[in-house]
Amino acid sequence: NAGVTQTPKFRVLKTGQSMTLLCAQDMNHEYMYWYRQDPGMGLRLIHYSVGEGTTAKGEVPDGYNVSRLKKQNFLLGLESAAPSQTSVYFCASSYLIRGFVGEQYFGPGTRLTVT
Amino acid sequence: DQQVKQNSPSLSVQEGRISILNCDYTNSMFDYFLWYKKYPAEGPTFLISISSIKDKNEDGRFTVFLNKSAKHLSLHIVPSQPGDSAVYFCAASAPAGNMLTFGGGTRLMVKP
Repeated sequence: NAGVTQTPKFRVLKTGQSMTLLCAQDMNHEYMYWYRQDPGMGLRLIHYSVGEGTTAKGEVPDGYNVSRLKKQNFLLGLESAAPSQTSVYFCASSYLIRGFVGEQYFGPGTRLTVT
Repeated sequence: DQQVKQNSPSLSVQEGRISILNCDYTNSMFDYFLWYKKYPAEGPTFLISISSIKDKNEDGRFTVFLNKSAKHLSLHIVPSQPGDSAVYFCAASAPAGNMLTFGGGTRLMVKP
């Protein structure tokens, strides 16, 4: 099992450019998440999905869009990148355990720099 | 308003001693708590969890304690090893919730 994989690992964008980050999981998890990590801010939830074809906003959704067309994939899009979106992005997947969100499995991260 | 707080951004401990990482939460609906460990350039990995029906959960060198009345949990690492040097995040989940809420993290440095 590869677990959770993210593509690409690194990317540099110019302000105004667009890009899509791809997350894939092979654990048949229903739940998938996109986080950003900034120094001193911990992990902040951008968007999440509770199943194929569904998405919902997290804590910091502005400037991002997501799609979950297949259960195993969760895409994060930046339509017009801004320097404030310079961050490390993590994807995670999870299952429910007795009604609670269980352990989340994280990908290795994508380091994005917007100049 | 941060619902999960880790008030110590960093902690330095000597190898072989105990490391105690603390976490406070404000949302009384949180009922399941997790600790994650993160090395540089890697994603966080799950370490240990505890549900509100317990006040202690132990896994090898790692023990998590939960004090529901104080809305406080702590992670004890005994004995600490240099390989434990990492950033530790606590996280919380509410019943029927779809997400985890993370604290800001504590950087642990274990000196040989």
